[in-house]
Amino acid sequence: DQQVKQNSPSLSVQEGRISILNCDYTNSMFDYFLWYKKYPAEGPTFLISISSIKDKNEDGRFTVFLNKSAKHLSLHIVPSQPGDSAVYFCAASGLNTDKLIFGTGTRLQVFP
Amino acid sequence: DAGVIQSPRHEVTEMGQEVTLRCKPISGHNSLFWYRQTMMRGLELLIYFNNNVPIDDSGMPEDRFSAKMPNASFSTLKIQPSEPRDSAVYFCASSLGRAFFGQGTRLTVV
Repeated sequence: DQQVKQNSPSLSVQEGRISILNCDYTNSMFDYFLWYKKYPAEGPTFLISISSIKDKNEDGRFTVFLNKSAKHLSLHIVPSQPGDSAVYFCAASGLNTDKLIFGTGTRLQVFP
Repeated sequence: DAGVIQSPRHEVTEMGQEVTLRCKPISGHNSLFWYRQTMMRGLELLIYFNNNVPIDDSGMPEDRFSAKMPNASFSTLKIQPSEPRDSAVYFCASSLGRAFFGQGTRLTVV
């Protein structure tokens, strides 16, 4: 049973445009959400996070939006750059635990 | 700090053989995770240690899989006997609030 779902396995975006990656979750006990980025032959690296008490967190070109009622979060990258091409994983954790549950990932390709 | 260190980076083994994957977490981190990456399931949590104690091993697929953390600076994931369907990339991560991943071990069982 997949508690964190990324329904789009891939996304292709032109350089300079906005990339929007989506993530849905089923467990209402999750209270902290993260996005990780993964390049080939490397481990995932932390990108941005959001607590359930917020609905938006921004860091440079990256913004994460959280809609608790819909159990949905999204990552916006604007403007997209070719170096953003990677697999993006959404992850969630609950209260008082470091345990992270990941989605299946979305492969983003940014073309010139 | 050198980050989370995993060894080996690549492992090719024959079906039925024992495989041991190793992980050195970041010093001072109190949580350690073993994940398996596959196309179908993404990053699948296998087991989670906190202060060297296994907290949640519900993701360990079968009795053929076992994990240990004898001290704060070392953990192993063992598969015995290995099967072709175990072929995947296995990641170790450590955390003190935010998880940092190693570079992974690509396991191929032929």
